[in-house]
Amino acid sequence: QVQLVQSGAEVKKPGASVKVSCKASGYAFTGYYFHWVRQAPGQGLEWMGWIDPNLGGTSIAQKFQGRVTLTRATSINTVYMELSGLRSDDSAVYFCARDSESVVVTALGHWGQGTLITVTS
Amino acid sequence: DIQMTQSPTSLSASVGDRVTIACRANQTISTFLNWYQQKSGKAPRLLISEVSTLQGGVPSRFSGRASGSDFSLIITGLQLDDFATYFCQQSYGPPWTFGQGTRVEIK
Repeated sequence: QVQLVQSGAEVKKPGASVKVSCKASGYAFTGYYFHWVRQAPGQGLEWMGWIDPNLGGTSIAQKFQGRVTLTRATSINTVYMELSGLRSDDSAVYFCARDSESVVVTALGHWGQGTLITVTS
Repeated sequence: DIQMTQSPTSLSASVGDRVTIACRANQTISTFLNWYQQKSGKAPRLLISEVSTLQGGVPSRFSGRASGSDFSLIITGLQLDDFATYFCQQSYGPPWTFGQGTRVEIK
């Protein structure tokens, strides 16, 4: 069965960077796009971008361009989201999600458990 | 960015009720509309993709429909397990955007 396991919670200072990992198992890693979505406390869902784990191509929401880097390590079936220049309003739960369809982007069919990032001085 | 507007933001309903949640896009998104259920402290769960395709394991009491840029999630015969927050989401073009959510509470 498809499983996405994310790295643990982190506390960061303003201006720092954070890198969250998402390890996939139970299917062919390079066959499905990964997305990153965040959710501030008590708030809605915000899509950040996707990565093609096969070729490494990415699409980043304009709001996050210049601050978000999406990468992958195919040898260990893991994708990463790095967010730099952290601000207090970046405090949120960050989810990775795998697309529901192979090779295309359609919907967020499988989700990681979420990683809480807290930005505080 | 495409704006998704859900209504209502919350509703109270009883077990067995028929519940309809609406979602409107401010521009055409074709059929690239998905619905998610989220319970407190958990990751969202994909219920329906591309307007009306029910995902595996999702009960048949959930259904989706569209009329132009207006979309609906319908729960026919609400069950205790359905009390949660529901989000619509468009995947027509980046950035993908979500509705603000509809919280379904027990009456």
